[in-house]
Amino acid sequence: KAGVTQTPRYLIKTRGQQVTLSCSPISGHRSVSWYQQTPGQGLQFLFEYFSETQRNKGNFPGRFSGRQFSNSRSEMNVSTLELGDSALYLCASAPVGGLYEQYFGPGTRLTVT
Amino acid sequence: KQEVTQIPAALSVPEGENLVLNCSFTDSAIYNLQWFRQDPGKGLTSLLLIQSSQREQTSGRLNASLDKSSGRSTLYIAASQPGDSATYLCWLFTGNQFYFGTGTSLTVIP
Repeated sequence: KAGVTQTPRYLIKTRGQQVTLSCSPISGHRSVSWYQQTPGQGLQFLFEYFSETQRNKGNFPGRFSGRQFSNSRSEMNVSTLELGDSALYLCASAPVGGLYEQYFGPGTRLTVT
Repeated sequence: KQEVTQIPAALSVPEGENLVLNCSFTDSAIYNLQWFRQDPGKGLTSLLLIQSSQREQTSGRLNASLDKSSGRSTLYIAASQPGDSATYLCWLFTGNQFYFGTGTSLTVIP
């Protein structure tokens, strides 16, 4: 099976712009979660989608949003980018069955200038 | 709010040594716990998953234990190798939130 894929792998944006990141889960996985990794804050949970519905949510401002499509692919959007949004954004998929075992993609490195 | 701490933050050991990495959490109401390794600039590789009803899991040279009453999980690595050098992270799910630990950076010296 193919693993979790994320596009693009690298992105440079300017403060104030918006950005959309994409995540394709492992085939058959219906849960997709997003995380932000920074040197200062470590890995923090953004939100989780299951069957096109946001099921769990972390403690991030409303500028961070996401959605999931019927094929389980997910997108994450960040509006009005700030310098502090520079980070590695990781997505993970989990199979149906309740264990929430996370399988991670390689991440998207976002740099905001 | 759940706090997940990994001590030490960094660890350096000679090759061949057995070692234990710690993950402490403040709320014992967890659903499951997973250990990962992260190589520099890379994503996360899953090592072991422990369900809340389990006490330990083993895979090769790795053994992870879970003690919810004391708020602690340990990852035991036997006969460490230079290829084990990475950052090790614990992750847990509480039923509605996902949390990562602060991580332990491990260096195994040949």
